[in-house]
Amino acid sequence: GESVGLHLPTLSVQEGDNSIINCAYSNSASDYFIWYKQESGKGPQFIIDIRSNMDKRQGQRVTVLLNKTVKHLSLQIAATQPGDSAVYFCAEKVAAGNKLTFGGGTRVLVKP
Amino acid sequence: GAVVSQHPSWVICKSGTSVKIECRSLDFQATTMFWYRQFPKQSLMLMATSNEGSKATYEQGVEKDKFLINHASLTLSTLTVTSAHPEDSSFYICSARGGGGERSNYGYTFGSGTRLTVV
Repeated sequence: GESVGLHLPTLSVQEGDNSIINCAYSNSASDYFIWYKQESGKGPQFIIDIRSNMDKRQGQRVTVLLNKTVKHLSLQIAATQPGDSAVYFCAEKVAAGNKLTFGGGTRVLVKP
Repeated sequence: GAVVSQHPSWVICKSGTSVKIECRSLDFQATTMFWYRQFPKQSLMLMATSNEGSKATYEQGVEKDKFLINHASLTLSTLTVTSAHPEDSSFYICSARGGGGERSNYGYTFGSGTRLTVV
């Protein structure tokens, strides 16, 4: 389930199940999106990216979907493993810009 | 490839002193470096963007005289927190971007972060 307030939204998932993490981005002028994984006390780690001229991109065990109509981005993790437990952030970059703006983040907890 | 080294990984300093954090791109030239601050259970907030050889561009609400950024070379940027106070305690993260564009290996690469505690 999810928790709100001072805590990050949390997604609890059984090991082996698929995870879906959602992100509503803010700027319709954004043309590039990245998903990052952050483990406790570490910097963000690149997972997968997608440009605005695509609506789907697949990597190893991960898929990113982009819906520009509703400004929504999702990350699907197949066969979630304990090592996938972390906080996941989406980030967006506007066209002709240089900086990334991060979303609020979702904590994924994988139950054995 | 595309490794960014950030030092120190953690630092404790007394209130009123200054602390310098280094961010180095080890295997590429970073035309642009970014500094973020992250409070517990929150997202990364961009503090400033620095380009080699020019003054940093600070985000709204970030005090440029308190958070001094120097990007003297294509592989090194430093963030100095001056006259640190307990409210400056946070996780500081740098990111470096090479000139290869987003889809190259030298897109946005992050350092491992620096935990600053001001006592």
